[in-house]
Amino acid sequence: DAGITQSPRHKVTETGTPVTLRCHQTENHRYMYWYRQDPGHGLRLIHYSYGVKDTDKGEVSDGYSVSRSKTEDFLLTLESATSSQTSVYFCAISFQGEAFFGQGTRLTVV
Amino acid sequence: QKEVEQNSGPLSVPEGAIASLNCTYSDRGSQSFFWYRQYSGKSPELIMSIYSNGDKEDGRFTAQLNKASQYVSLLIRDSQPSDSATYLCAVKRAGTASKLTFGTGTRLQVTL
Repeated sequence: DAGITQSPRHKVTETGTPVTLRCHQTENHRYMYWYRQDPGHGLRLIHYSYGVKDTDKGEVSDGYSVSRSKTEDFLLTLESATSSQTSVYFCAISFQGEAFFGQGTRLTVV
Repeated sequence: QKEVEQNSGPLSVPEGAIASLNCTYSDRGSQSFFWYRQYSGKSPELIMSIYSNGDKEDGRFTAQLNKASQYVSLLIRDSQPSDSATYLCAVKRAGTASKLTFGTGTRLQVTL
């Protein structure tokens, strides 16, 4: 158990509303990641963080922002949710070069 | 061309047989290779990591890497129904802060 908790686990939201997903870790890992998983695309990196207030974009970052004000928390925000952002979102941490995932958040934008 | 390619399956094998899962990648700068198992509705679980050419064995699992051919595979011996899942191949370039590039996965079905 990598000590990663995602919240909420499920969310339904309306188009145009802001949404924030939270990833919390208990092991003080430096690197944290947000991925989305969609049929036919696999897991794709949205944003990642390499320390407090240090973040960078992944391959599918448009429409998303992140923040990391504390080592243990990495937040993913959809500024104005769209139906194309309906997906399963996974948070991950890196430990000794290997990535470990949280339980996932299923987000539906209607 | 996708960066990491896997046959989507399903790959169906009888219980007790060897399941062979394959993955090719396009980036010659890739240096770390991973296999994840993902049950339906669950998160990916790391089952094997391999970093150098050759075979790496862990229990019933063997990962094989051939960097010259840009090919990595996973063998599952004595397949069990509990091995039925989607297997994801992931690769990482050196010095990329564990940013993984994933294939779309191969669905494995182990039949009784």
